[in-house]
Amino acid sequence: TQLLEQSPQFLSIQEGENLTVYCNSSSVFSSLQWYRQEPGEGPVLLVTVVTGGEVKKLKRLTFQFGDARKDSSLHITAAQPGDTGLYLCARGSNYQLIWGAGTKLIIKP
Amino acid sequence: DVKVTQSSRYLVKRTGEKVFLECVQDMDHENMFWYRQDPGLGLRLIYFSYDVKMKEKGDIPEGYSVSREKKERFSLILESASTNQTSMYLCASSLIPGGSYYYFGQGTRLTVV
Repeated sequence: TQLLEQSPQFLSIQEGENLTVYCNSSSVFSSLQWYRQEPGEGPVLLVTVVTGGEVKKLKRLTFQFGDARKDSSLHITAAQPGDTGLYLCARGSNYQLIWGAGTKLIIKP
Repeated sequence: DVKVTQSSRYLVKRTGEKVFLECVQDMDHENMFWYRQDPGLGLRLIYFSYDVKMKEKGDIPEGYSVSREKKERFSLILESASTNQTSMYLCASSLIPGGSYYYFGQGTRLTVV
């Protein structure tokens, strides 16, 4: 299994701050998905990135796929308490998705 | 609004009991998955199914079995529940396994005492 490593594992910041979380692999992948999981719920897809160097924006969230397609980042600007959750990245492999362990993000009011 | 529905949000079962977790999707997806999620370990695949009556083992199938008699329904069975099966169980479906995004149910938090 080719692992996806997410960092940091845990992040707690104040409302209004900016943050970046990372998803890295030792191998190239064709696409990467980012999900957010709120407490007590299942993960929900945020975005899929497919092209090296691609940048996608979703309101205050900016997703970037590395040029070499081995890494991706999620940047949140002016974090809000509603951004609290577990952020998971996942890549396709054969007939399943390979998942990172996630970054648990807490935004304090 | 597409939906994956799991039969229970919370379950408490005794050691040795046979446990059934049910999952239903309304998107006509052929592919369905069962994961367990534990802190720090991420999502681990237990079983998946790419068609009715078809099933494939995932990474951690021991102690579990599955049933897919209808396209929309995928059941996870704990033959004899043990305390180390206490976990959050997530069901998902997708149009293309590994190639498109997954829709998840709300999860079932199972506690085995």
